Amino acid sequence: QSALTQPPSASGSPGQSVTISCTGTSSDVGGYNYVSWYQQHPGKAPKLIIYGVTKRPSGVPDRFSGSKSGNTASLTVSGLQAEDEAEYYCCSYVGSVTYVFGTGTKVTVL
Amino acid sequence: QLTLQESGPGLVKPSETLSLTCTVSGGSISSNGHYWAWIRQPPGKGLEWLANIHYTGSTYYNPSLKSRVTISVDTSTDQFSLKLRSVTAADMAVYYCARLEVDYFYYMDVWGKGTTVTVSS
Repeated sequence: QSALTQPPSASGSPGQSVTISCTGTSSDVGGYNYVSWYQQHPGKAPKLIIYGVTKRPSGVPDRFSGSKSGNTASLTVSGLQAEDEAEYYCCSYVGSVTYVFGTGTKVTVL
Repeated sequence: QLTLQESGPGLVKPSETLSLTCTVSGGSISSNGHYWAWIRQPPGKGLEWLANIHYTGSTYYNPSLKSRVTISVDTSTDQFSLKLRSVTAADMAVYYCARLEVDYFYYMDVWGKGTTVTVSS
């Protein structure tokens, strides 16, 4: 189980969009529609923002959206706001109720 | 509202066993559609999934740690626990417990606040 690959950093100005990729293999991201994304502010626990590749939990702004193509999942944050500055992690189901996380991406709002 | 709270010693000596407990409040641990998980995060690093357990006792482990980790559940107290044997400095991390939704999609929807574990003599 190798960690999923994410870019270390991404940035955008307020109001702009930023997209984060999460690359795995056919055994994880490509094999299941069970990719989830988590937002983590410094010193805080991760918070679920996307599950099932594209679904948003209640209370998560629709500025957050997810997609997947082949072995790569993506998270897009539209209309960036200051509070979106955080670390973002993808996570994929890899079968038999086991999981692998991505390496994490630090999003900076310029 | 379901909440999770981790507890355990913040300091463990090298080669000893780390023991942590997660208390589930505002709901029952005995839910068919959920597993209960431990995840850790070393300082300045990413998240690592460690293990899951169902209230029936079914368990799953990260292969990289399977030989050192045991997860258990106590339905009478709505708690689940993690034991990590033979700890080293590499096991220093914030340890989180989380609820896993497994009915239709597989994701961690409720997290504890985390507990910091230091390994030092």
